[in-house]
Amino acid sequence: NAGVTQTPKFQVLKTGQSMTLQCAQDMNHNSMYWYRQDPGMGLRLIYYSASEGTTDKGEVPNGYNVSRLNKREFSLRLESAAPSQTSVYFCASREQGLYEQYFGPGTRLTVT
Amino acid sequence: GENVEQHPSTLSVQEGDSAVIKCTYSDSASNYFPWYKQELGKRPQLIIDIRSNVGEKKDQRIAVTLNKTAKHFSLHITETQPEDSAVYFCAATDFNKFYFGSGTKLNVKP
Repeated sequence: NAGVTQTPKFQVLKTGQSMTLQCAQDMNHNSMYWYRQDPGMGLRLIYYSASEGTTDKGEVPNGYNVSRLNKREFSLRLESAAPSQTSVYFCASREQGLYEQYFGPGTRLTVT
Repeated sequence: GENVEQHPSTLSVQEGDSAVIKCTYSDSASNYFPWYKQELGKRPQLIIDIRSNVGEKKDQRIAVTLNKTAKHFSLHITETQPEDSAVYFCAATDFNKFYFGSGTKLNVKP
């Protein structure tokens, strides 16, 4: 039981490049989330998916797109990376009807 | 949307002393308030949580209190130990979206 996994762990991009961050969970959770964490700040919600087939915007969705590929996987795409997107990205999942979120280990992204 | 404010941003205590971190929220629809501990380079870990129908919850050295009328909640850590040193985050949610405070860096001096 791996919980929530994220790939890659680290990534360096040049401005304007695109990439997809991958997240998968093996706990059969319905809800999945993408957050970003900037230095000295709390986590901010980018997008979430309450169930397979649905996605909704969070606090800071601009510059990102998401795909809920199936119940297990929820990906985050940066179409044209900007230095302001330099951050640590965390994926999380939650069981329907319960509040507790389970976080992945994070992806540290640097955009130069 | 919800706005969660957290104070203080840094807190330094002597080992064995108590530490208190406070958060306020703005949306009366929020009904669940978790607290997370995050060590450097690691993921946030849930340490305690409270629902809006409860005023206080305790788990060994950690307790959380909630005042719904005033829209604030607090984390209390007693008998602090060096391994309590970390960044602590509060959060509030109406069940769908989670909103986090900006964090408190707790330093417990041996």
